[in-house]
Amino acid sequence: EAQVTQNPRYLITVTGKKLTVTCSQNMNHEYMSWYRQDPGLGLRQIYYSMNVEVTDKGDVPEGYKVSRKEKRNFPLILESPSPNQTSLYFCASSTDRGSYNEQFFGPGTRLTVL
Amino acid sequence: AQSVSQHNHHVILSEAASLELGCNYSYGGTVNLFWYVQYPGQHLQLLLKYFSGDPLVKGIKGFEAEFIKSKFSFNLRKPSVQWSDTAEYFCAVNTRNTGKLIFGQGTTLQVKP
Repeated sequence: EAQVTQNPRYLITVTGKKLTVTCSQNMNHEYMSWYRQDPGLGLRQIYYSMNVEVTDKGDVPEGYKVSRKEKRNFPLILESPSPNQTSLYFCASSTDRGSYNEQFFGPGTRLTVL
Repeated sequence: AQSVSQHNHHVILSEAASLELGCNYSYGGTVNLFWYVQYPGQHLQLLLKYFSGDPLVKGIKGFEAEFIKSKFSFNLRKPSVQWSDTAEYFCAVNTRNTGKLIFGQGTTLQVKP
């Protein structure tokens, strides 16, 4: 089944404790992206990747890192999480940088930083 | 900077009522336009998209949207809503040849049976 998977789905952590949220897609998509969803703000793009080893900042990249060493994986790294990073995170992928094709979204990761 | 504005934050309708959700964007160049839906507890799914051609696009589940370039708008419509349409709806825009996708704030639709 074609899908985008994220792990973990739920995470409660404390300020300053490094964490990684994994994202994997099995559709051989070139484009992958991370978003955070907050009430009243919709989804905001954190980082995106056009292809392996190519990443770029979205609108809210501060406090996040990403890497794209393999086509299928695009982990989101929070080196020193803070409470304002408490949010619902979505990973997405697309065949073509998102311009012409729909993005397929993962199930989301609900992160709470205490 | 690009932005997307959805005017209605929370809409409550009775079944069989007609729906129109507003979406306006600010960008002077060529854009691709999307409407996504998020059912309770689920991830986002594409409802419809516009890239070029006929400005009236039809999507899944009886939804349609009209692109009016002069008004920078891409409003979502459905003639008769059902209880199962209860969800959050997001308008999104990206400019050609970039990887950025800008979402609106979302509109929560509640359909009463």
